[in-house]
Amino acid sequence: DQQVKQNSPSLSVQEGRISILNCDYTNSMFDYFLWYKKYPAEGPTFLISISSIKDKNEDGRFTVFLNKSAKHLSLHIVPSQPGDSAVYFCAASIPGNQFYFGTGTSLTVIP
Amino acid sequence: DADVTQTPRNRITKTGKRIMLECSQTKGHDRMYWYRQDPGLGLRLIYYSFDVKDINKGEISDGYSVSRQAQAKFSLSLESAIPNQTALYFCATSDLSGRRDFGPGTRLTVL
Repeated sequence: DQQVKQNSPSLSVQEGRISILNCDYTNSMFDYFLWYKKYPAEGPTFLISISSIKDKNEDGRFTVFLNKSAKHLSLHIVPSQPGDSAVYFCAASIPGNQFYFGTGTSLTVIP
Repeated sequence: DADVTQTPRNRITKTGKRIMLECSQTKGHDRMYWYRQDPGLGLRLIYYSFDVKDINKGEISDGYSVSRQAQAKFSLSLESAIPNQTALYFCATSDLSGRRDFGPGTRLTVL
């Protein structure tokens, strides 16, 4: 049973516009959420995270929003750049270090 | 730079062969993991180890075994490879925060 879901396998956005990647989860015990970025032929790299006690975390062009009542996580990239084209995985963890990953969303930023 | 390395990066083998994938890290992390990535299925945990004497099964451990030779080394073995084990394999490490640092991956093809 997939506890972390990314329902959009792919997303295309024009350069300079906002990219919004979404993630839904089912387990209310999750207390830490992360986004990873993956380029072809490379391993996933950590992008940004958020604790369940917050509803927003910002790092430069990247902002993660957490809506606990909806069990929904989103990543906003503003402005989008061609170098942002990659697969993005969301992940969630419960106390005890167990991590659960989503299936990934492939973002294409069109120049 | 502290790093996670994997060897080989690519491997093609035949059904029934024994295969070993190796992972080394210079991050000084005690915790190490093996994940598998398949299209549409995201990253799934195969095995994990919190220290040299600790080995734990993940969600998809059948057909795999691991060895934690030292704090810095964690190997994954396929005792008798089968075609549905064709996938991308990632080693990861973490500190106590749990945030995974991934290696570059091994692309394994079983014919």
